[in-house]
Amino acid sequence: QKEVEQDPGPLSVPEGAIVSLNCTYSNSAFQYFMWYRQYSRKGPELLMYTYSSGNKEDGRFTAQVDKSSKYISLFIRDSQPSDSATYLCAMWGNRDDKIIFGKGTRLHILP
Amino acid sequence: EAGVVQSPRYKIIEKKQPVAFWCNPISGHNTLYWYLQNLGQGPELLIRYENEEAVDDSQLPKDRFSAERLKGVDSTLKIQPAELGDSAVYLCASSPRWREINEQFFGPGTRLTVL
Repeated sequence: QKEVEQDPGPLSVPEGAIVSLNCTYSNSAFQYFMWYRQYSRKGPELLMYTYSSGNKEDGRFTAQVDKSSKYISLFIRDSQPSDSATYLCAMWGNRDDKIIFGKGTRLHILP
Repeated sequence: EAGVVQSPRYKIIEKKQPVAFWCNPISGHNTLYWYLQNLGQGPELLIRYENEEAVDDSQLPKDRFSAERLKGVDSTLKIQPAELGDSAVYLCASSPRWREINEQFFGPGTRLTVL
């Protein structure tokens, strides 16, 4: 079992819909949970990061962490075509002291 | 302020040839990272520098890969000889210090194709 599991998609939703992206993980040592957005031919950019469990909101984006279930989510409200990208979850805080990335989910917002 | 700069953006070589990638981090960032991103995968750390010191190179295939950051600023990653399986995107990132996750920025990457 990989440390971080993420459905690669693609996920296609109509403009204006609420998008839900998820990851599961196996290592309970992870303490920091991040979401990155990566446009085609670009490097990843950090969208949100959360320490431990709980919710964090930033504009149209909400990140949730449930450490008891080892499950994290990113919600995008009022989705826009410009949100079309690959979304990578990532985690850090394990013994190796490395950021571990998921495979990424490709998201398409249909106009 | 300029972001992380990488060159070249694209490189096509034949197997067994050498290749080098260059990265210039954000000014003032002491920590520099090289990541490998295969198609359909997330980035995987190859090496991390704190100033000019390589503090984590456990994932760097040292038989063919080498890296340097001589003056603690820009860095070069080299592959010699390249193999077909090295085709991927090589990402450079930097941050002011290690563990400042929210201040880590990635460059656009170098897309390597080995024929």
